[in-house]
Amino acid sequence: AQSVAQPEDQVNVAEGNPLTVKCTYSVSGNPYLFWYVQYPNRGLQFLLKYITGDNLVKGSYGFEAEFNKSQTSFHLKKPSALVSDSALYFCAVRTNTNAGKSTFGDGTTLTVKP
Amino acid sequence: NAGVTQTPKFQVLKTGQSMTLQCAQDMNHNSMYWYRQDPGMGLRLIYYSASEGTTDKGEVPNGYNVSRLNKREFSLRLESAAPSQTSVYFCASSDIFTSTNEQYFGPGTRLTVT
Repeated sequence: AQSVAQPEDQVNVAEGNPLTVKCTYSVSGNPYLFWYVQYPNRGLQFLLKYITGDNLVKGSYGFEAEFNKSQTSFHLKKPSALVSDSALYFCAVRTNTNAGKSTFGDGTTLTVKP
Repeated sequence: NAGVTQTPKFQVLKTGQSMTLQCAQDMNHNSMYWYRQDPGMGLRLIYYSASEGTTDKGEVPNGYNVSRLNKREFSLRLESAAPSQTSVYFCASSDIFTSTNEQYFGPGTRLTVT
C-alpha cells in the first residue's frame, strides 16, 4: 500500500520569506512524486514531479522540491513567497506498477501575508 | 485545447435520485480517474480507467458506477444518491505510458444531496 502524509494543515509565511510545505511518503518500489496546487473553486494544477534523476526538481511559478530517499520526503519549497502563492497544496505518490493510481495527501493550506 | 471538461458544474439532488457526471479530455490520454474531495480528507479515488475498455475500483467505489465510453470520455453515475455523497467531484486524466505521468484535472462538479 502507498500513503502520503502532509503533517501541517496550515502554513503561514510573510511575503518575501522562504516557504516550505512538508510531505512524507510510503510506497513499495520506486516512487513517482508530485505536487499540485488548488486555488479556490478550481481543479488541481500540476506544479512539479520527481520521477528519476536529480533530487532537486524545479517546477512552475518558482517552486522546487527535494527528493530525499532516506527520509522518504519530498518537501515543496520557494525562496521568496508571494501573496498569490496562497492556495491549497497537495502532495501525491504513485509507482510505475499500479496503473497510474496516485495517493494524495490531505492537503496543506498556505497563507502568505503581505 | 480545452483539457479536461466536466458537466455539470453544480447539481442538487434529493436522496434516492440518480444522475451521471460527464467527463471528457482532448489530450489523447490513456488513463482517466474520478475523485471526490471532502474537507480535510484530500482527494479519494472512486474509480479509474487505466486504458480504454478497462475500469477498476479505487478507494471509495460504493454507491458509484462508471463507464469508459471511448478514449475521450469517462462518466460517473450515482444510481441512488445519498447525503454522504455530497462532495466535490473531480475527473482527471494522464498518460502513464509516456513521460507525462502527471494528472490533469477538470474544474469539478459540486454536488449536494438533500
